[in-house]
Parts: sequence; structure tokens; C-alpha cells
Amino acid sequence: SQTIHQWPATLVQPVGSPLSLECTVEGTSNPNLYWYRQAAGRGLQLLFYSVGIGQISSEVPQNLSASRPQDRQFILSSKKLLLSDSGFYLCAWSKTDTQYFGPGTRLTVL
Amino acid sequence: QKEVEQDPGPLSVPEGAIVSLNCTYSNSAFQYFMWYRQYSRKGPELLMYTYSSGNKEDGRFTAQVDKSSKYISLFIRDSQPSDSATYLCAMRLASGATNKLIFGTGTLLAVQP
Repeated sequence: SQTIHQWPATLVQPVGSPLSLECTVEGTSNPNLYWYRQAAGRGLQLLFYSVGIGQISSEVPQNLSASRPQDRQFILSSKKLLLSDSGFYLCAWSKTDTQYFGPGTRLTVL
Repeated sequence: QKEVEQDPGPLSVPEGAIVSLNCTYSNSAFQYFMWYRQYSRKGPELLMYTYSSGNKEDGRFTAQVDKSSKYISLFIRDSQPSDSATYLCAMRLASGATNKLIFGTGTLLAVQP
């Protein structure tokens, strides 16, 4: 069976500091991978998706970037965090028709 | 107009009630419809998945799609306190390599014991 991991689970960072969130998937190969942000009381905002190694598509212009260095690894980064980057970050994978989510990382920028 | 509309709630019901959760959408090309359940501070988990129109039942849960009205529903029978969560609807087009989903904003459900 497939599993998806995210770490860290929670993170508190000062404004202007860098960010690296990691997502890995087990039990499948060549999945589509996605990064979402969920702000308090709001829906899921798709940030990036990837259909293969090194292939990243950005959905919204922002302070974040994504990379896929390996088939089942997806990384979300920032060089300098803003207060508005706070939120719940979710990674998801897809092979056929739907998506499966990881446990999420709660990021607080102070 | 948003592509997918979902009443945010909160919806509060007594234990044992039948719950009806709904979403409307504007793009008639959507073919795949999903419901996710999200507990507080957790990632969404896939609850129900249907293709095109019709009903699908899984235990106490029934998903219904009415493409002519662009309306989908999730029914929960004999609701339990453990059903208290946010329910997100999602949908996608029939084709495309990205499998991108369009989500509703979620309905917060509280089942009172």
C-alpha cells in the first residue's frame, strides 16, 4: 500500500528566515505530486504540482518554490519567509483519478 | 463566481441524525467527484469517489451526483460524534495528465452526543 510522509509536523519560524518542507511517497512510482496551502477557515490553495522529476508547475506567483529531486520526493522552499506564508501545508500524490494527502505541516511565521 | 460552491456551515446535528452535505459547481465538463473528510489539524482523507452521475454507497455514506443540476451531495446516515469534521468536496475534468482537483471550501460538521 502507498503512504505519504511530511515533515516537520509543526514549524515556527521568524520572518525573513528560510524554509524547507519535505514530502515523500512510498509504495508507488512516478506519481503526480502536489503542494497545497490551507489558511485557517479557508479552502485548499494549490501551490505547485509535478508530473515528473524536475518538472514543476506553479499555480500562483508567490514567495515559495518547489523542487522534485527524486521520483517520490517533493520539497517546498522559501528563501525569506513572510508573515503571510503562515498556514497548513499539505502534500498530495496522485496516480490515476484522485489525490491522497499527507498529514500536513503547520507553519507559523512570527 | 467560484467554480465550486460549498456552504461553510457550521452544521450541528444530534447523534443519529441524517446529514446532508452539498456542493454546486459551474463547469459542466467536470466528470470525477470526490468527498474528503478532514479532522482538525489533520490532512484530508478520501471518503467517497464517483465518476459521472449516479449514486454510490459505502456503509453509512452515500454520494450522489446530479450533473443536470451541477449538484453533488454526501449523505451520512446514523451520524456519530466521530463524524465531526470538515467535509470537502472536490472535482476534476475527465482528461488531463495533471489530475488537478478543484475543491470547495469545506463544511464544518458537529455531531452532538
